[in-house]
Amino acid sequence: SQTIHQWPATLVQPVGSPLSLECTVEGTSNPNLYWYRQAAGRGLQLLFYSVGIGQISSEVPQNLSASRPQDRQFILSSKKLLLSDSGFYLCAWSEGLAASTDTQYFGPGTRLTVL
Amino acid sequence: ILNVEQSPQSLHVQEGDSTNFTCSFPSSNFYALHWYRWETAKSPEALFVMTLNGDEKKKGRISATLNTKEGYSYLYIKGSQPEDSATYLCAFESGGYQKVTFGTGTKLQVIP
Repeated sequence: SQTIHQWPATLVQPVGSPLSLECTVEGTSNPNLYWYRQAAGRGLQLLFYSVGIGQISSEVPQNLSASRPQDRQFILSSKKLLLSDSGFYLCAWSEGLAASTDTQYFGPGTRLTVL
Repeated sequence: ILNVEQSPQSLHVQEGDSTNFTCSFPSSNFYALHWYRWETAKSPEALFVMTLNGDEKKKGRISATLNTKEGYSYLYIKGSQPEDSATYLCAFESGGYQKVTFGTGTKLQVIP
């Protein structure tokens, strides 16, 4: 069966510090991968998605970036965090073109607080 | 930017009451409509995916309907229980390349 891991679970970082969140998926090949953020009192905002190694699409302009160095690994990064980067970050995967619809499966999330 | 709206934003119901909420989405370029349940301290979990106008899906006490012509889906919960307390998200999948846009969710609190 497929599993998705995210770490760390919680993170408190000062403004201006770098960020690296990691997500890995097991039990599937060539998944679509997604990074979402939920800011306080708001819905899920898609940040990045990837359909393959090295292929990243950005949905919103921001100071975050994403990379996919391996098929089942997705990394969210920032060189300098802003206060507005605080939120709950979710990684998700889907079967992509192998499935008829894009049902997504979410990781446990990372609670990021920028002080 | 696709407009996917959910209403109400939140609601409280008594245990045993039935309830329903709405997801509105664009009526053009429809491919699929997803419902997810997001319990506190957990990850969103897929409930249903519907692709055809008039689709109805059911899982236990929870069911959903779909009207693609007018662009809405209803989620129904019959005889609400405290364990139904969660945020319910809908997600509109548009044609082309399976682009998914999430609504802001309906937060349900079932009071024992």
